[in-house]
Amino acid sequence: KAGVTQTPRYLIKTRGQQVTLSCSPISGHRSVSWYQQTPGQGLQFLFEYFSETQRNKGNFPGRFSGRQFSNSRSEMNVSTLELGDSALYLCASSLGGTGGNQPQHFGDGTRLSIL
Amino acid sequence: AQSVTQLGSHVSVSEGALVLLRCNYSSSVPPYLFWYVQYPNQGLQLLLKYTSAATLVKGINGFEAEFKKSETSFHLTKPSAHMSDAAEYFCAVRGYMGNEKLTFGTGTRLTIIP
Repeated sequence: KAGVTQTPRYLIKTRGQQVTLSCSPISGHRSVSWYQQTPGQGLQFLFEYFSETQRNKGNFPGRFSGRQFSNSRSEMNVSTLELGDSALYLCASSLGGTGGNQPQHFGDGTRLSIL
Repeated sequence: AQSVTQLGSHVSVSEGALVLLRCNYSSSVPPYLFWYVQYPNQGLQLLLKYTSAATLVKGINGFEAEFKKSETSFHLTKPSAHMSDAAEYFCAVRGYMGNEKLTFGTGTRLTIIP
């Protein structure tokens, strides 16, 4: 069974640009969550999508947005990039139904560097 | 809201020694708890999860964790450290409802001394 796939693995952008990251979840998983990981702030939750609807949202500015498609694939968009957006962006998928015991399965992340 | 606290951002143990990584949770009701491991340049891999079926949970790579409600703890242990265990370890908590987010601790970097 294929795992969570994130593309691209590495990305270099300049300030002011925008970027779109992609995540393909494990087959059958309907929930996709996004996290930002930095050395200073650790793992911070961005948002979660379930059946094409945003179910949870973290404390990030509106420049960070996402969406989920009918096949459960998800994209995350960051507009007007800032130097502080340099981070590893991780996507995780789970079955997503009721019951908090379902673990999340992570991709290897997209390393975003802002120049 | 649930939260977890990982005591010790860095832990060093000798190869063959006991590994003990500490995690304490804060929750109004017994939560679901998870341990994840992250190797360099990779995502997080699930080590084990507590789902109230048993207080002692066995995971992959020889790791196990014990849920202690009286101490609100879920410490991760391994009897004998191996060089390949060097990585960052994250404790995470989630509430009963499936629509609650997963909340991570700040992580503990484990170094193995040869």
